[in-house]
Amino acid sequence: QVQLQESGPGLVKPSGTLSLTCAVSGGSISVSNWWNWVRQSPGKGLEWIGEIYHSGSTNYNPSLKSRLTMSVDKSKNQFSLKLTSVTAADTAVYYCARVLSSSTSSYWDLWGQGTLVTVSS
Amino acid sequence: DIQMTQSPSSLSASVGDRVTITCRASQTIDTYLNWYQQKPGKAPKVLIYAASTLQSGVPSRFVGSGSGTDFTLTINNLQPEDFATYYCQQNYAFPFTFGRGTKVDIK
Repeated sequence: QVQLQESGPGLVKPSGTLSLTCAVSGGSISVSNWWNWVRQSPGKGLEWIGEIYHSGSTNYNPSLKSRLTMSVDKSKNQFSLKLTSVTAADTAVYYCARVLSSSTSSYWDLWGQGTLVTVSS
Repeated sequence: DIQMTQSPSSLSASVGDRVTITCRASQTIDTYLNWYQQKPGKAPKVLIYAASTLQSGVPSRFVGSGSGTDFTLTINNLQPEDFATYYCQQNYAFPFTFGRGTKVDIK
């Protein structure tokens, strides 16, 4: 049974870099799935951050694109997120999620438990 | 970006009630619409994908309908475990966007 687990610092200083990793267990990251990041804050609700394929192809939310980098490490079966120049507005619960896709649909069928990241000095 | 407008933002209902939540997209999204349920402190869980397809393991009292810009999630015979927040989400175009949620609580 595939599971996702986020990890990373829970506190980041303003103007710093937020770095998170999502470990995939019980299955390979090198399958036909896109691996996503979604965040949730009280002020902005659920916000799609972006996605990465095991080949390294990415799609980013334009609102974050200038600060965002996603990567995949197939040897460790994990994918990662880096968000630079963070502000208090980046404080949120960050989720990693797997997307199941077909020709007519795609949806997030598997989620990590989420990790709270607070931006504060 | 495609804006997803959910209504109502909250509602109170009793066990056994039928509940209807609507979601409107700011432009046509065909049937690229998913519904998620979220309980406090937990990740969202998909209920319905492609507007009307029930995810495996989800009770049949959850019914999704609609296409184009207008969509509905109906919960028939509301059960105690259904009190939660529900979100619609479009995956027709990047960036994928979510509605603001509908909180269903106990009357």
